[in-house]
Amino acid sequence: NAGVTQTPKFRVLKTGQSMTLLCAQDMNHEYMYWYRQDPGMGLRLIHYSVGEGTTAKGEVPDGYNVSRLKKQNFLLGLESAAPSQTSVYFCASSPVWGYQPQHFGDGTRLSIL
Amino acid sequence: AQKVTQAQTEISVVEKEDVTLDCVYETRDTTYYLFWYKQPPSGELVFLIRRNSFDEQNEISGRYSWNFQKSTSSFNFTITASQVVDSAVYFCALTQGAQKLVFGQGTRLTINP
Repeated sequence: NAGVTQTPKFRVLKTGQSMTLLCAQDMNHEYMYWYRQDPGMGLRLIHYSVGEGTTAKGEVPDGYNVSRLKKQNFLLGLESAAPSQTSVYFCASSPVWGYQPQHFGDGTRLSIL
Repeated sequence: AQKVTQAQTEISVVEKEDVTLDCVYETRDTTYYLFWYKQPPSGELVFLIRRNSFDEQNEISGRYSWNFQKSTSSFNFTITASQVVDSAVYFCALTQGAQKLVFGQGTRLTINP
């Protein structure tokens, strides 16, 4: 029972490089989320999706793009990485009913040099 | 706009002491939910409890208890007889609509043997 799986777990990039973070969930959840966690700032929502083919901006969307082509997958892209995007990224999912607890992946630690 | 404040950035206590983590929130929604998550040193986020805005009963689960007071917009978390395994960062979160969560900054709790 994998739950929410994030790939990769660690990555180091150079400024200007691009990459995609993959989130996969096997709980048939409708809602999926991408957060970033920075010291002293808690978790901040980057983008989210309420169903296959839909995406919406969260609190800090600039510099990121997302896609939800399949219900079980939610991709987070950095087109041109910047040092300010050094962070720990968490993916989460929750059922469609709303107000349900979000289930989190183990996180991706990303460093931009 | 929704806001969650965890004023205690770090707390350090000796094992077996009781400790309370404070959470104060702001919302204009009449229906909302509050959550507590635990992030142990291994980094994953673990759901602890969910409480809706219409249920002000305190809840106890083993050594953990939660005190929800609508009058003061607080949802505090108490650990009784703390143990080293309780060392973690604890996040309080508030629903924003039926789809999103707003997180507090987190409280780093250290239990010393």
